[in-house]
Amino acid sequence: ETGVTQTPRHLVMGMTNKKSLKCEQHLGHNAMYWYKQSAKKPLELMFVYNFKEQTENNSVPSRFSPECPNSSHLFLHLHTLQPEDSALYLCASSQDGSGAGTGELFFGEGSRLTVL
Amino acid sequence: GENVEQHPSTLSVQEGDSAVIKCTYSDSASNYFPWYKQELGKGPQLIIDIRSNVGEKKDQRIAVTLNKTAKHFSLHITETQPEDSAVYFCAKGYSTLTFGKGTMLLVSP
Repeated sequence: ETGVTQTPRHLVMGMTNKKSLKCEQHLGHNAMYWYKQSAKKPLELMFVYNFKEQTENNSVPSRFSPECPNSSHLFLHLHTLQPEDSALYLCASSQDGSGAGTGELFFGEGSRLTVL
Repeated sequence: GENVEQHPSTLSVQEGDSAVIKCTYSDSASNYFPWYKQELGKGPQLIIDIRSNVGEKKDQRIAVTLNKTAKHFSLHITETQPEDSAVYFCAKGYSTLTFGKGTMLLVSP
């Protein structure tokens, strides 16, 4: 069983819908991340939260809105998405913010998003 | 200068053979080089990493080598088994991690 749990595992939405992805980590870590994984492209870092504070926003469009109410939970709110946003969205955590560059990341199994 | 080039994109080997995946980069700041394994339907998982003050690191059948002068690092898997079949990602890190595009390794029984 993974220490990082993501829900839903699969999501299909229209371009006008509003939905949210949820991530929960049970590892006692202080940093959480959202990554986008598209076919034949490198993993793309979207957002970094360290001790609930956003420390990185990697030029992500405003139709993606993250929320980190505490160190164990991370949300990605989705609104007015485009078909090219279809991808696997991976949540990860690390002991501290060093996971952004020099520490181990613990990934969830991902939420497969399809935008019609 | 920020990307990591990873080769090959796919690699097919027979069980028991060795597999080698190579990555190159161009910046001078990166000092952390992890390798992640992603099985089907799962998230990536760290399998081995190396820091810039070390040239080689080994963990059972897996080894990583780093040539910081030439700016390349490699993953070596010996005595491959079918359960090694997965996508492998290299990455380089300093302030943020940059991942390669991945190598799909297929180990045939």
